[in-house]
Amino acid sequence: GAGVSQSPSNKVTEKGKDVELRCDPISGHTALYWYRQSLGQGLEFLIYFQGNSAPDKSGLPSDRFSAERTGGSVSTLTIQRTQQEDSAVYLCASSLLGGVQFFGPGTRLTVL
Amino acid sequence: GEDVEQSLFLSVREGDSSVINCTYTDSSSTYLYWYKQEPGAGLQLLTYIFSNMDMKQDQRLTVLLNKKDKHLSLRIADTQTGDSAIYFCAEREDNTDKLIFGTGTRLQVFP
Repeated sequence: GAGVSQSPSNKVTEKGKDVELRCDPISGHTALYWYRQSLGQGLEFLIYFQGNSAPDKSGLPSDRFSAERTGGSVSTLTIQRTQQEDSAVYLCASSLLGGVQFFGPGTRLTVL
Repeated sequence: GEDVEQSLFLSVREGDSSVINCTYTDSSSTYLYWYKQEPGAGLQLLTYIFSNMDMKQDQRLTVLLNKKDKHLSLRIADTQTGDSAIYFCAEREDNTDKLIFGTGTRLQVFP
């Protein structure tokens, strides 16, 4: 596709439920990143995939957060047992190795 | 750890120049970026500068980099109402490629 796409664009869930957020990177981009944007914390890094290397998970806030990238392309960010503090906009970006990161439109997650 | 700081708010009259400032702490960053975020939208890359440059110009945008002071600025010439948005500067961690973002500067352009 022309750019990074994310789905859903909005997700409302109840506290305690699991959610999955999807990211389709730009075709051919080997690197994929997840960031979170929230009022209290600004824009923060969550996790980074590069090719077949082990992902850099250093930004994940708790073990309720996980992500995978299948076939070196699509990525899914999973949040288990959601809490109200997980409410934020989750942004995905992709790049060529060491290149500029291009961002998707984000998924706005609201945990009630 | 790394920290990137920006002023939170800037208000300018249409047609004037806007200057958005940013300071960063990681002197090993090789790339520094400016992203624009309009309401309800993702981040749009505006421009970037390599650390061995002091200036980069791209149409109405001019980026100045003072590596000694770790200071980055974005100048928008002839600011238009469509430039109203939040502007984020970001440094790229050299060994991880992840971006460290500033708090964002909300630019408001009034007629």
